[in-house]
Amino acid sequence: DTGVSQNPRHKITKRGQNVTFRCDPISEHNRLYWYRQTLGQGPEFLTYFQNEAQLEKSRLLSDRFSAERPKGSFSTLEIQRTEQGDSAMYLCASSLARVDSPLHFGNGTRLTVT
Amino acid sequence: DQQVKQNSPSLSVQEGRISILNCDYTNSMFDYFLWYKKYPAEGPTFLISISSIKDKNEDGRFTVFLNKSAKHLSLHIVPSQPGDSAVYFCAASASYGGATNKLIFGTGTLLAVQP
Repeated sequence: DTGVSQNPRHKITKRGQNVTFRCDPISEHNRLYWYRQTLGQGPEFLTYFQNEAQLEKSRLLSDRFSAERPKGSFSTLEIQRTEQGDSAMYLCASSLARVDSPLHFGNGTRLTVT
Repeated sequence: DQQVKQNSPSLSVQEGRISILNCDYTNSMFDYFLWYKKYPAEGPTFLISISSIKDKNEDGRFTVFLNKSAKHLSLHIVPSQPGDSAVYFCAASASYGGATNKLIFGTGTLLAVQP
């Protein structure tokens, strides 16, 4: 069990640029989640996958955000035309698709939009 | 609306004493509850969980209590140690299709354990 891996750890970009983050889940986990966390808040749900199927997207998620999990293994989260309000910690988590399976989180990608 | 609430932003306790962290929820469909611990610059780490069919779950120094009628859960840490100093998040989920759904998190409580 190597844990959930996220890359890059930090990303600084200028407003209007596109960014892409990668997440490699725990290998036997078939569910993968993306969350966003800002200072003083708890993680906020963005979207999740079971295998390659995207099962739910938060209604708060702008159309500028898109996530993929093409082969049911790693996932990417892309933000187009970044805005300063997108600055946050982006967290990925994985779990088994069964009752009472906790989510295991990676260490996140810190995005700063200047 | 905030479905999971942690009303105490911070808590300070002496080493060796009990730490009690509280959490309230509003959604009666929640049936799985978890506590996570978070250090700066790291992701949340799973600590302990409880299913709605139980009212208590214990793991070493950590015990979670669930009061469904009050929609309230608490985490007890006994004895508290300086290494327990971190932000603690309460989270809840409503399962369907035989699997846990997404987690909804509270805003966290910063625990400081004084030596």
